[in-house]
Amino acid sequence: AQKITQTQPGMFVQEKEAVTLDCTYDTSDPSYGLFWYKQPSSGEMIFLIYQGSYDQQNATEGRYSLNFQKARKSANLVISASQLGDSAMYFCAMREGQGGGFKTIFGAGTRLFVKA
Amino acid sequence: DAGVIQSPRHEVTEMGQEVTLRCKPISGHNSLFWYRQTMMRGLELLIYFNNNVPIDDSGMPEDRFSAKMPNASFSTLKIQPSEPRDSAVYFCASSRQADSYNEQFFGPGTRLTVL
Repeated sequence: AQKITQTQPGMFVQEKEAVTLDCTYDTSDPSYGLFWYKQPSSGEMIFLIYQGSYDQQNATEGRYSLNFQKARKSANLVISASQLGDSAMYFCAMREGQGGGFKTIFGAGTRLFVKA
Repeated sequence: DAGVIQSPRHEVTEMGQEVTLRCKPISGHNSLFWYRQTMMRGLELLIYFNNNVPIDDSGMPEDRFSAKMPNASFSTLKIQPSEPRDSAVYFCASSRQADSYNEQFFGPGTRLTVL
C-alpha cells in the first residue's frame, strides 16, 4: 500500500508567488515524523523541514512552512515568495516510530518549475 | 562541519564486476541509511544501521547486495556481481538517532552505471 502520496508530478509557479505542494500519508503508528526534501538538478538531497506527529503547531523554516492536518493525514509544503532557485524536485517523506521500525518512506516527488 | 561523504561520485563498470560504494557519516550520528534512486522506482531504502548494527535490510533487492558498517565512521555497500539493472544513484544518509524525530542528512550520491 502506498504510504506517501504526492499527487502532483509537476507544478508551475510564477516567481514571487506562493506555491503549495501536496502530500498525504498513511500510517497507524501514533508516533511519526514528516519531512520534506529538495533535490535540485545537481542531484543532492537537501533537508527542508520537519513536522512531528505530536507537534501542535505547524513547522516553519524561513520561506518554507508545513500545513499539517493530522486528521486528514496531509502534510503540504508551502513555499512563499518563490525564487528561480526553488525549481527542483521536492520529496515528502515519513518515518514511522517504533511500530514501523523507523523506516523512512519517500513519495514519488513533485517537480516544481518557477517561472520568471 | 563536513557532511556525509560518499565515494566514488561516479562509477562505470561492466556487468559481472564487483562494485563497492563507500560512505562516511556525519560525526556523532548514530544511524546510517543506504538508498537507491531510479526513475522507475523512486527513492528506496535498502538498509539502515543503528550504532553500527544492521537493523532492517528488507529493502536489499537480492543476495548480490551486501552492506557493512565496521565502525561508526565508515560503511560500504557492495554489489557482486553487478547487473545493468543495478544502474542507479545510490545515496548514503545519516541521522543522530534512528527515531522518527531526527532528519536524515544525505551524501552527494554515487551514480552507478553497469554496462
